Amino acid sequence: SQKIEQNSEALNIQEGKTATLTCNYTNYSPAYLQWYRQDPGRGPVFLLLIRENEKEKRKERLKVTFDTTLKQSLFHITASQPADSATYLCARDTGRRALTFGSGTRLQVQP
Amino acid sequence: EAQVTQNPRYLITVTGKKLTVTCSQNMNHEYMSWYRQDPGLGLRQIYYSMNVEVTDKGDVPEGYKVSRKEKRNFPLILESPSPNQTSLYFCASSSPRGQTAFFGQGTRLTVV
Repeated sequence: SQKIEQNSEALNIQEGKTATLTCNYTNYSPAYLQWYRQDPGRGPVFLLLIRENEKEKRKERLKVTFDTTLKQSLFHITASQPADSATYLCARDTGRRALTFGSGTRLQVQP
Repeated sequence: EAQVTQNPRYLITVTGKKLTVTCSQNMNHEYMSWYRQDPGLGLRQIYYSMNVEVTDKGDVPEGYKVSRKEKRNFPLILESPSPNQTSLYFCASSSPRGQTAFFGQGTRLTVV
């Protein structure tokens, strides 16, 4: 089966620093990877999608990379703020228009 | 406003009492799905639907049913709920090429 692993359950950083979250996948390279943000008790909200043939994607303070050699995606939040505190989910396509999600990394940004 | 609406938000029920969680989307998306979210296990897909009258099992379909009679609605049915179905449930619909998912607010179900 196509697995997604987010190895860090939690990440604590100081305000203003860059947060880096890791997502690893197994088996064949997905056509794309996605990142979502989830706040407690709420549904996930889509942030960024990066395709297999893209090395990097940016949106404001967010940056995502896709390394097919390492089978890994990195998600960066630069100049982090306490409002960025949330759980971040990585997801891959499964080839049947479905998504497989990682278990998420809970980011806490300390003021 | 584009949205996916689930009801109810919270539900406590007893073992064996049939229940339905409704889901409706206003984006004219063809693809809809149901997930459950449990601590440490992440989001797992229960069922999905590619279009009206087309549904298929996801990764954890046992104990659940769905129907897709209209494009906008995709209810989740638990015919005989059991305590191991206590979970946080999310409905989602996907953009035309089945990529980014739009999620509902979630339904927290407790089966006692």
